[in-house]
Amino acid sequence: EAGVVQSPRYKIIEKKQPVAFWCNPISGHNTLYWYRQNLGQGPELLIRYENEEAVDDSQLPKDRFSAERLKGVDSTLKIQPAELGDSAVYLCASSSRRSSSTDTQYFGPGTRLTVL
Amino acid sequence: QKEVEQDPGPLSVPEGAIVSLNCTYSNSAFQYFMWYRQYSRKGPELLMYTYSSGNKEDGRFTAQVDKSSKYISLFIRDSQPSDSATYLCALNQGGKLIFGQGTELSVKP
Repeated sequence: EAGVVQSPRYKIIEKKQPVAFWCNPISGHNTLYWYRQNLGQGPELLIRYENEEAVDDSQLPKDRFSAERLKGVDSTLKIQPAELGDSAVYLCASSSRRSSSTDTQYFGPGTRLTVL
Repeated sequence: QKEVEQDPGPLSVPEGAIVSLNCTYSNSAFQYFMWYRQYSRKGPELLMYTYSSGNKEDGRFTAQVDKSSKYISLFIRDSQPSDSATYLCALNQGGKLIFGQGTELSVKP
């Protein structure tokens, strides 16, 4: 079974530029998560999707961040414009059941973003 | 106060040592507790999962939860160099994971 796929793996951009990250979850997984992991910290949830519906986006900085999950499969996270403080690893995860406390979240390798 | 507190380390031990990793949490409503392992340049992977007070063992790993003290632990017996990674405790709140800061562990041969 293929795991969660993310691309690109690394991205270096100048501040104020836009950037987008792509995630393909494990086949059949209805729930998709985007997390941000700052250096030396644990991941923090940005947004959670149940199929194509965003059910928790309370931690997403909506002035510059946006996300979409068309057709309830792949997802894209965008930052526009990027700021220096956005440098972090952006992790995508997926799970098979609806927001279950007991369901395992499987993480992708992440996209490491550096904003100069 | 953070919801989950974890000593970031780094922690360095010789091969074969017993390792103890710990987290404290503030919200007594948490019921599901997890330990994730994260190798460098990789995403976290679930190591162990428990939802009750007491111990849960899986090979060389033992997860311990003390709900009365809001304290969770992970013990690694006979540690190996391949155990060198960052260990993250996580509490599951309705499908949302709240992670600790992570403890960086290095096991020296």
